[in-house]
Order: sequence, then structure tokens, then C-alpha cells
Amino acid sequence: AQSVTQPDIHITVSEGASLELRCNYSYGATPYLFWYVQSPGQGLQLLLKYFSGDTLVQGIKGFEAEFKRSQSSFNLRKPSVHWSDAAEYFCAVGPLNGNKLVFGAGTILRVKS
Amino acid sequence: DSGVTQTPKHLITATGQRVTLRCSPRSGDLSVYWYQQSLDQGLQFLIQYYNGEERAKGNILERFSAQQFPDLHSELNLSSLELGDSALYFCASSVAGGALETQYFGPGTRLLVL
Repeated sequence: AQSVTQPDIHITVSEGASLELRCNYSYGATPYLFWYVQSPGQGLQLLLKYFSGDTLVQGIKGFEAEFKRSQSSFNLRKPSVHWSDAAEYFCAVGPLNGNKLVFGAGTILRVKS
Repeated sequence: DSGVTQTPKHLITATGQRVTLRCSPRSGDLSVYWYQQSLDQGLQFLIQYYNGEERAKGNILERFSAQQFPDLHSELNLSSLELGDSALYFCASSVAGGALETQYFGPGTRLLVL
């Protein structure tokens, strides 16, 4: 069955430090992979997506992610975190019958000053 | 602002009741999706519509139903509510419901069943 694992429930980083959020997926075919961010009280916003081609994808707000097929991973990175990045981050895989996405459990990012 | 609107923002009701959640997709989007976000189940896909027709179904209970109207807005009906139905319900939309498309999420409706 298709699934997404985000091993870290909470992560705390200092402002200005680098960030890596982990995502591992299980999918029977070539996956489409997504990272979404959810700020408190807000809906989900797409940060970036991977469909094919270059395995390093750039997104909004200075985020990037690298698809590694051999490791079934799609980790999200940012070189320098800002306090406004504090939010919950979701990795998702698709498509499944239609355009269904399967989401990971999310990683809550806390940024300390 | 994603352009997807959802009403109401908050809903408090009692067990056994029925509620209707409403979603208006982004202008021009033909496909609507419903997701449920709860503490124990996480974010789960419920159902997808495209131009008024059901396209995909996920973990949607039989007590729940949805439809998409000719003006493309969608409603999610939840009946015989139980405490466990308390959750944040998101609507998302995309242009044509294809696999390559970005889904744009609304702010959600927070349902509390007492």
C-alpha cells in the first residue's frame, strides 16, 4: 500500500540554522511527491513538487527538496531558517485513483531565536 | 490566500446531528477534493469531484456524502455525527483533477462534536 513516513514529529532549529525534514515513501510506480506547509489556523500551501526530471527541485520561500529513488526519500531542506518558517510540514505522494494524495503525519517545526 | 473559500470556519454541534460544509473552488477550477484532518488519523483524503461527477473516493464514511453543483461549489454532508468526527475538514481545488496538477487548499472548517 502507498504510504508516507515522516519520522520526526517535532524539530527545533535556531533561526539562521539549516533545516532538513525527512520524508520516506512507499509507492508502486514512479511517484509524484509534494511538500505542503500549514501555518497555525491556515490551510495547506504547496511548497514544491516533483514529477520527473531533475531530482533537486526548488520551491517557494527558499525551500528545496531532493528526490532519491534508491532511498525512497524526498527530504525538504532550507539553508537558513527564519522565524516565520515555524509551521507544520507535510510530505505527500500521489497520484492514486484520480488525483488522491496520501499525506505523512507531518513534522512540526519550531524556530528558536 | 489560495482562492478556495470554505464556510463556516467553525461549527459546534451535538452527537447525532447533521451538518453541511460548503466549499467554493478557485475561479476556473473544475475539480474539488475533501480531506479530513484529525489528531489520530492525520490528513486523509475523503472524496474528489470533477465537474459535478465523483472521480475518486477515499476513506469516506457512509454517514458522509458530498456533491458538486453546476456552479462548481461543493458541499460535504456529515450525518449522525459522532464525537470522533471532530476534525478539521479541508477542501481543495485544481483545474481539471489531473495527477500533475497542484491542489490549492482552503482554510478549513473546524468541526467540534459535543
